[in-house]
Amino acid sequence: QSVLTQPPSVSAAPGQKVTISCSGSSSNIGNNDVSWYQQIPGTAPKALIYENKKRPSGIPDRFSGSKSGTSATLGITGLQTGDEADYYCGTWDSSLSGWVFGGGTKLTVL
Amino acid sequence: QVQMVESGGGVVQSGRSLRLSCAPSGFTFSRYGMHWVRQAPGKGLEWVAVIWFDGSNKFYTDSVKGRFTISRDNSKNTLYLQMNSLRPEDTAVYYCARDEGYYPNWYFDLWGRGTLVTVSS
Repeated sequence: QSVLTQPPSVSAAPGQKVTISCSGSSSNIGNNDVSWYQQIPGTAPKALIYENKKRPSGIPDRFSGSKSGTSATLGITGLQTGDEADYYCGTWDSSLSGWVFGGGTKLTVL
Repeated sequence: QVQMVESGGGVVQSGRSLRLSCAPSGFTFSRYGMHWVRQAPGKGLEWVAVIWFDGSNKFYTDSVKGRFTISRDNSKNTLYLQMNSLRPEDTAVYYCARDEGYYPNWYFDLWGRGTLVTVSS
């Protein structure tokens, strides 16, 4: 059972938009920044979003992030087959004194 | 080329020890906090431990406290994870990850390729 809750899977057609939610509490998302990671099977994770909504260099603006209260959301527009991957949210949990990840969401581009 | 390479994984019996290493290149290792993150087969990411850039602070996930020790040698540009009293549930790919930003609002901007640890019962 992950401290951060994500839907196990989402799907959408190529070219469409999808959102992935990440729900936490005041000890994690509510008071700390959220980052998002993409993991294509068999490869290492890659950062997509940091500080809730900023994109690292090289990440296209099709990827966006937002945070409100104790929840965060990753948005992906203009879906491509290459976006099929597992997506994880993460943040520091002040009560646990440790980093926590969501359980991951598998994105299928139909 | 900016990268990190883990090593030291393998098959080990339950109760034994293993030490993982992470060798970064292409950046000034001593300026960055470093983490270990693991992923059990078919499962999600699990954060394991962090060490401050200068080694002054360390935090661990509860399941490894007292068994695992994170350390670093900035003179050798190497990050370590000493794993003792290994359990089958420690079986995972172990990634080293570099953090960017300021505690606690880091993010992991660079990851190694991972090294597989298999603990047999």
